[in-house]
Amino acid sequence: EDKVVQSPLSLVVHEGDTVTLNCSYEVTNFRSLLWYKQEKKAPTFLFMLTSSGIEKKSGRLSSILDKKELFSILNITATQTGDSAVYLCAVSVDTGNQFYFGTGTSLTVIP
Amino acid sequence: DSGVTQTPKHLITATGQRVTLRCSPRSGDLSVYWYQQSLDQGLQFLIHYYNGEERAKGNILERFSAQQFPDLHSELNLSSLELGDSALYFCASSPRPGLLAYEQYFGPGTRLTVT
Repeated sequence: EDKVVQSPLSLVVHEGDTVTLNCSYEVTNFRSLLWYKQEKKAPTFLFMLTSSGIEKKSGRLSSILDKKELFSILNITATQTGDSAVYLCAVSVDTGNQFYFGTGTSLTVIP
Repeated sequence: DSGVTQTPKHLITATGQRVTLRCSPRSGDLSVYWYQQSLDQGLQFLIHYYNGEERAKGNILERFSAQQFPDLHSELNLSSLELGDSALYFCASSPRPGLLAYEQYFGPGTRLTVT
C-alpha cells in the first residue's frame, strides 16, 4: 500500500531556532514529492522535488530529496511566528494522476 | 489566492441529505482533484478528473460521485450523508498529468457539517 509518513507529528520551538521536518514514502511509480504549508486554510505550495540531491531553496526554507532512501527533509532556519502551521508532504504517482499526503507536522513557533 | 475557487464556503445539512460542492480550477488548468480532510484522517485523495475524464480514484465512497464539465469546473456530489462525512473538502487543480510533474494548487475548501 502506498504511504507517506511525516515526523515529528508536532514541534514547538522558539523564534530563531532551526527546524528539520521529515517525510518518508513508500509508493509505486513515484513522480514527485511536494511540500505544502497549511495555516487553517487551504494548503499553499512550497516546493516540488523530482531529482535526488538537488536542494530547492526559498528564503529561509529549503528542501532536498533522497530517492534512494525514499525520504525528503524540509528545513526552516531562523524560524518566525509566521512559520507556525501544519507542513504537509505529498507524493505524486503514476504521471500525476494521484497524490498521497502525509498527516503533516504541526509547527508552533513561540516568540 | 491560488486562483482555484470553491463554493459554498460552509454547508450545514442533516443526515441522509445530498449536497453538491463546486470547484473552478485555475485558468488553463485541465486537472481537478478532490480531497477530504478530517481531523483524524489528514488529507485523503478522493478522485481526479482531467479534461472531463476520470483519471484516478482514491478512497471515495460509493455514496460520493464527481464530474468535470466542458468548461472544466467540477462538482462533487455527496449523498445519504452521515455524521462521519463532516469534513473540509478541498479541490485542487494542476495543468495536466503527464511526463512532466506538476504541482497542485488548492482552493479555499468547503466545510461540510452534517448534523
